[in-house]
Amino acid sequence: AQSVTQPDIHITVSEGASLELRCNYSYGATPYLFWYVQSPGQGLQLLLKYFSGDTLVQGIKGFEAEFKRSQSSFNLRKPSVHWSDAAEYFCAVGGISSASKIIFGSGTRLSIRP
Amino acid sequence: NAGVTQTPKFRVLKTGQSMTLLCAQDMNHEYMYWYRQDPGMGLRLIHYSVGEGTTAKGEVPDGYNVSRLKKQNFLLGLESAAPSQTSVYFCASDRLAGEGDEQFFGPGTRLTVL
Repeated sequence: AQSVTQPDIHITVSEGASLELRCNYSYGATPYLFWYVQSPGQGLQLLLKYFSGDTLVQGIKGFEAEFKRSQSSFNLRKPSVHWSDAAEYFCAVGGISSASKIIFGSGTRLSIRP
Repeated sequence: NAGVTQTPKFRVLKTGQSMTLLCAQDMNHEYMYWYRQDPGMGLRLIHYSVGEGTTAKGEVPDGYNVSRLKKQNFLLGLESAAPSQTSVYFCASDRLAGEGDEQFFGPGTRLTVL
């Protein structure tokens, strides 16, 4: 069965510190992988996506993610967080199929300590 | 370009009342989706549509109906609201499900059923 697991419900980091949000997926074929961000009271916005090529993907707002097939992981990273990064982050997986849909993880809430 | 818009932004219903949520997109996208977001559960797909005049059930369709009479609009109906339907509802659209396309999200509708 297809699934996405985000093991961390809530993470707090200090402003300026590095960040890594974990994502593990289960998918029967080559997956498309996404990270979305949701600011309070807003809809979701795409940060980055991966579907082939270089396993290190650059996204908006200084975020990057690395696809590791052997670990079924797609962790999101940022070298130095800013207070404006406080939000909820969702990992998602999709596939190649006219009937396929994106499956979302349960989300990780990021808080920034001043 | 307004992207994906949702009407209304907030609504309070009494148990048993009915209502319709409207989603509109101006990107000429074929695929449209309705999700509900509940704490700790991420986004769960209610119904989706692969084109004008078509609809299909998602993960949690019970208690909801949808219609896609026009390509740009996707309506979500609650015939007899229940407190379990208290949630934040998001509409999304994309050009082609799967294929690495990102979904574009509306700002959400916060529904409370008393």
